[in-house]
Amino acid sequence: DIQMTQSPSSLSASVGDRVTITCRTSQGISNSLIWYQQKPGKVPKLLIYGASTLQSGVPSRFSGSGSGTDFSLTISSLQPEDVATYYCQEHKTSLRTFGGGTTVEIK
Amino acid sequence: ELQLVETGGGVIQPGGSLRLSCEVSGFTVSSNHLSWVRQTPGKGLEWVSVLYSGGSIFYSDSVKGRFTVSRDSAKNTLFLQMNNLRGDDTAVYYCAKDQGWFDPWGQGTLVTVSS
Repeated sequence: DIQMTQSPSSLSASVGDRVTITCRTSQGISNSLIWYQQKPGKVPKLLIYGASTLQSGVPSRFSGSGSGTDFSLTISSLQPEDVATYYCQEHKTSLRTFGGGTTVEIK
Repeated sequence: ELQLVETGGGVIQPGGSLRLSCEVSGFTVSSNHLSWVRQTPGKGLEWVSVLYSGGSIFYSDSVKGRFTVSRDSAKNTLFLQMNNLRGDDTAVYYCAKDQGWFDPWGQGTLVTVSS
């Protein structure tokens, strides 16, 4: 099975800051990497698929990059509405795996 | 509009069984891949199972041998039969359209395993 290591587990940043979350996989997955945003009490929302393709309707301040085993999600200018937990997920195999999540708060 | 609605959650004793349903609208269960994903209260997401349109099924190691996924094309519904439930199965269970990524998701149904 593929192991996912997401870091940090939480972060606190100021409005307007650039925020980066990383996800590392135990084996290469090409670009089969997904990012979700989950706000408190809500269902996870698809942000990025194919490691870097922004889902329709997602603000352009979100971006994804990486390939192989190392990936990142960047929020270029953190906004109050971005307070949420972010998860990465791989789909290289039929046994999908999620990262442990990163909780983003406003300082 | 694509929509998934889960039902069937509740409180069940350890060792018991429960069947969850996921009624789909806006697309057909028989022509699409569908997954179950769960989330322990206050914790992260865990993929449970995928049922491919072609009929292949895969399970996570944590539920293999205890959970069974099926679908009813006439009812356009996905099911999750959960047997021999344990405390660590307590979670909100979501169904989701699976294209490798999950979108859309249902609203989830809470399963609590407790004596």
